[in-house]
Amino acid sequence: EDQVTQSPEALRLQEGESSSLNCSYTVSGLRGLFWYRQDPGKGPEFLFTLYSAGEEKEKERLKATLTKKESFLHITAPKPEDSATYLCAVRLYGKLTFGQGTILTVHP
Amino acid sequence: EAGVTQFPSHSVIEKGQTVTLRCDPISGHDNLYWYRRVMGKEIKFLLHFVKESKQDESGMPNNRFLAERTGGTYSTLKVQPAELEDSGVYFCASSQFLSGTGAGNTIYFGEGSWLTVV
Repeated sequence: EDQVTQSPEALRLQEGESSSLNCSYTVSGLRGLFWYRQDPGKGPEFLFTLYSAGEEKEKERLKATLTKKESFLHITAPKPEDSATYLCAVRLYGKLTFGQGTILTVHP
Repeated sequence: EAGVTQFPSHSVIEKGQTVTLRCDPISGHDNLYWYRRVMGKEIKFLLHFVKESKQDESGMPNNRFLAERTGGTYSTLKVQPAELEDSGVYFCASSQFLSGTGAGNTIYFGEGSWLTVV
């Protein structure tokens, strides 16, 4: 069965303290690994899609990387406004399979 | 450009009643998806439309759930009769394409319809 596991479940950082979130997956026929950000009471907001091992993408303080078994979301010098739940999902033909998410809190 | 829009944003109904959720995808997106998140669980796939056809409905929990997509435009998800365990947030999403690596494969989500069954 396809599985997506995110760690840690929750992460508390001080403003400026860089860290990484992990997403490990066991799927066959991966057609993309998606990262989303979700704020309370809102829908998932698209961040990145990665398609092949070794691929990297960046957006402001975020950088996503992909290997054959996992993806990392690196957050450099985070700010309080980066606080949110970060969701990882893998795509097979049509549907996304989501992990539980990592709740990130950045304190000023 | 308008994003994926969902209606209603919140709904509280009694057990046994019927609720219909509506989703308007991004214009030009042939692929429309329904997902659900129940308390404490991850977001889970319900079904996938390509235009007006159901491509994959493997995630639909039971026959109390009925999804339609009229003319390949907006979609509705009806729950009848609603049970307590149906409470959660229902997300609609859409994408232009299914395959390839371009921006057209991005899956965009709506804000969700929050359903409470009491």
